[in-house]
Amino acid sequence: TQLLEQSPQFLSIQEGENLTVYCNSSSVFSSLQWYRQEPGEGPVLLVTVVTGGEVKKLKRLTFQFGDARKDSSLHITAAQPGDTGLYLCAIGGYSTLTFGKGTMLLVSP
Amino acid sequence: NAGVTQTPKFRILKIGQSMTLQCTQDMNHNYMYWYRQDPGMGLKLIYYSVGAGITDKGEVPNGYNVSRSTTEDFPLRLELAAPSQTSVYFCASSLSGNSPLHFGNGTRLTVT
Repeated sequence: TQLLEQSPQFLSIQEGENLTVYCNSSSVFSSLQWYRQEPGEGPVLLVTVVTGGEVKKLKRLTFQFGDARKDSSLHITAAQPGDTGLYLCAIGGYSTLTFGKGTMLLVSP
Repeated sequence: NAGVTQTPKFRILKIGQSMTLQCTQDMNHNYMYWYRQDPGMGLKLIYYSVGAGITDKGEVPNGYNVSRSTTEDFPLRLELAAPSQTSVYFCASSLSGNSPLHFGNGTRLTVT
């Protein structure tokens, strides 16, 4: 069974700070998805990364896929209160996705 | 754009009662899933379906049942509710097994 570990579990920062959260797997995976879940809602896809070493940018969010395809990171520049939420990574199997436990991010004004 | 719709949003059950959580999607997705989310534990897969008439167990299927008679609907049944089933339940759908998931907004269930 592939395990996904996310760190840190919880992060509380002030508006304007930068942060990085991590997602690590016990084995190589073919692709990885990042989701954000806001309170009271379901997760929403942010990005899918498929190529080792790949970097994708989504406004102030930068996603990186490790060269060895066993890890990924999400960097947020100048965090805003609207970035508050649970960040989940997920890797695909044949028919289903396996999710990490998530990083809960709280950005205070 | 309805996407994935779950009903009800909230429900309180007594131990031993039964209920059905409804899920419907209008994107013509073949794959549908039920997850439960407990604090600090991420999303755990209960059941999934790769098409109408086909269902399969996920990581935590005990105490639940599903059916998939149409592409659109994937109801989750709790027959004898137990306190351990207190959780937030999410239904999701996707085009294929590795495709991004589209989630509903969840059903918060409390069993007392």
